[in-house]
Amino acid sequence: RKEVEQDPGPFNVPEGATVAFNCTYSNSASQSFFWYRQDCRKEPKLLMSVYSSGNEDGRFTAQLNRASQYISLLIRDSKLSDSATYLCVVSRGSTLGRLYFGRGTQLTVWP
Amino acid sequence: GAGVSQSPSNKVTEKGKDVELRCDPISGHTALYWYRQSLGQGLEFLIYFQGNSAPDKSGLPSDRFSAERTGGSVSTLTIQRTQQEDSAVYLCASSAGNGNTIYFGEGSWLTVV
Repeated sequence: RKEVEQDPGPFNVPEGATVAFNCTYSNSASQSFFWYRQDCRKEPKLLMSVYSSGNEDGRFTAQLNRASQYISLLIRDSKLSDSATYLCVVSRGSTLGRLYFGRGTQLTVWP
Repeated sequence: GAGVSQSPSNKVTEKGKDVELRCDPISGHTALYWYRQSLGQGLEFLIYFQGNSAPDKSGLPSDRFSAERTGGSVSTLTIQRTQQEDSAVYLCASSAGNGNTIYFGEGSWLTVV
C-alpha cells in the first residue's frame, strides 16, 4: 500500500464552484501534513499546512482526521488560476524528515 | 538569489554517460532533499540530508545513483551509466529543518537518449 493515496482526478469545474480533494495516508505515526500545489512543468509550492483542528486560508480549508488517517482540501469560489495539480504530503517526523507525496489531484477550472 | 538553485536546468545526455546535477539550497537551511518526477507521475523520494546526520538514502533506485552534500550546503546528485528510464526532472528542496515549509528548486530536466 502506498504511503499517501489521492484520487488523481481530473476534476473539471466551472468558475465559482466548490471542489473537495481527499487524501489518505497509511502510517499512523505520521505527524506533519501539507497540501502543495504544482503548476504544469513547475516545481511544487506549499499551499498550506494542515493542522489537527483544521485550518482555513481564504478560500481554502484543510481538514485532518487522524482516526481515519484522512486529509481533505476544500476550495470555495474556484478561480481560473486555481487550475493546477494538488499534492497531499505527509511526514512522519515533527522536524519533517522524509516527505511522502501523493501522486496529486489535477484540477481544471473553466470559465 | 534567495531560493533553491539547481543546475543545469536542462541536460540531454547519451545512454551510458555519467551526469552530475547540482543543488544550492537556501542559505542556512539544514535539510536538503532530492526527488525525481517522471512525466505525468508523482514525486519519487531519492535522498534526504539533515545537518551532520547520516543521510537517508533509502529512495535511491540503484547503485548507479549517489549524492553528497559538502560542508552542509551544496549537494551533487550523480547518476552513472545513465539509462533511458532515468529521464525525469530531478527536484531539489531545502528546509530550515524546524518542521516548516520546504522549498523546491525549479528542477533539472534530464533526458537520456
